[in-house]
Amino acid sequence: QKEVEQNSGPLSVPEGAIASLNCTYSDRGSQSFFWYRQYSGKSPELIMFIYSNGDKEDGRFTAQLNKASQYVSLLIRDSQPSDSATYLCAVNFDMRFGAGTRLTVKP
Amino acid sequence: SAVISQKPSRDICQRGTSLTIQCQVDSQVTMMFWYRQQPGQSLTLIATANQGSEATYESGFVIDKFPISRPNLTFSTLTVSNMSPEDSSIYLCSVGRGTEAFFGQGTRLTVV
Repeated sequence: QKEVEQNSGPLSVPEGAIASLNCTYSDRGSQSFFWYRQYSGKSPELIMFIYSNGDKEDGRFTAQLNKASQYVSLLIRDSQPSDSATYLCAVNFDMRFGAGTRLTVKP
Repeated sequence: SAVISQKPSRDICQRGTSLTIQCQVDSQVTMMFWYRQQPGQSLTLIATANQGSEATYESGFVIDKFPISRPNLTFSTLTVSNMSPEDSSIYLCSVGRGTEAFFGQGTRLTVV
């Protein structure tokens, strides 16, 4: 069983829409959760981290964590073409990554 | 933020040879991580490099194939040994600091 799973992509949304990215994890004891964005040919860059149940907002990005259901999600509001990238969910400080979801925002 | 210098940025190597990738951090960190990212895939953790002790390898990765050195708190190397075309991938080092992880620029390895 994979430790971290993400909703299969690719995901395509129109510009201005909300993009929803989901991630589930198997280790119930996991404490820290990260969302990374990776542009093609580049290294991953951190978008958000979340430790506590509930929502955490940062600009157009909202991370949602539900430890009871073992999922974490990332919402991108007012999606822009520049948001087109692969989004990686990572769990815990040893950074076990999901497979990634490729997002395309169409103008 | 942490500044991580990873070298080489890319290389083309003959099968059967070995390549050592270096990762230099601008300040001391306890743990450094090595990842592989195969084409079109996500990052897979190879091992955690601990200063003063042997690296901890993930399932499917062995020290003979991917020996790691961690001589001090700012430097680590990963060697890809006896390479085959299946080792063609991007290799990334990473460090954790506070609530964030930072990545090196990656090494794009092609084995021919």
